[in-house]
Amino acid sequence: GAVVSQHPSWVICKSGTSVKIECRSLDFQATTMFWYRQFPKQSLMLMATSNEGSKATYEQGVEKDKFLINHASLTLSTLTVTSAHPEDSSFYICSAVRDQLAKNIQYFGAGTRLSVL
Amino acid sequence: RKEVEQDPGPFNVPEGATVAFNCTYSNSASQSFFWYRQDCRKEPKLLMSVYSSGNEDGRFTAQLNRASQYISLLIRDSKLSDSATYLCVVNPGGYNKLIFGAGTRLAVHP
Repeated sequence: GAVVSQHPSWVICKSGTSVKIECRSLDFQATTMFWYRQFPKQSLMLMATSNEGSKATYEQGVEKDKFLINHASLTLSTLTVTSAHPEDSSFYICSAVRDQLAKNIQYFGAGTRLSVL
Repeated sequence: RKEVEQDPGPFNVPEGATVAFNCTYSNSASQSFFWYRQDCRKEPKLLMSVYSSGNEDGRFTAQLNRASQYISLLIRDSKLSDSATYLCVVNPGGYNKLIFGAGTRLAVHP
């Protein structure tokens, strides 16, 4: 069964609105979660590392004011796409490290397909 | 140069065929290596980790060549259900990051 839950799976919004995506670890605590973005026929690109109780670490070129990340609890991280525009339309996926002994293995949520009109 | 490079394919093979994918990575200090499988419009799922000594899981065999900085995945006796995109994934060091290749698409036909 799924170990990481992501919601919503699909969202359509108007340009200029904000969209929040939730990522939850199921039955385990995730001090670190990751947010990726994937455009069609391209690889997953890491956007940011979400750390519980502290600020997220953003990858180069990712606007922290546009992609707000909050990791307020050990089982929940949220990504808010603020003032979304059509170029933000993409597949957003979160992941979490489940086993501290296998820190490099990430389990992924089912993804959120965002379409901005 | 991309950090992780894969042939995008598609590889079109009949059921029962053996197919091999290769992947190269640019960072010689990379520490961990994986193959993930991604179905269309779905999240990636871990297929197997890749170890220097090579490892096998049923019909799947993965190998790592650190000197040449390439990773391979061999699928024997292909099934229709193997049709997917196979992602080569590298951890360049430090447990935060995974670098994904763009994937190799496999289509197995009857």
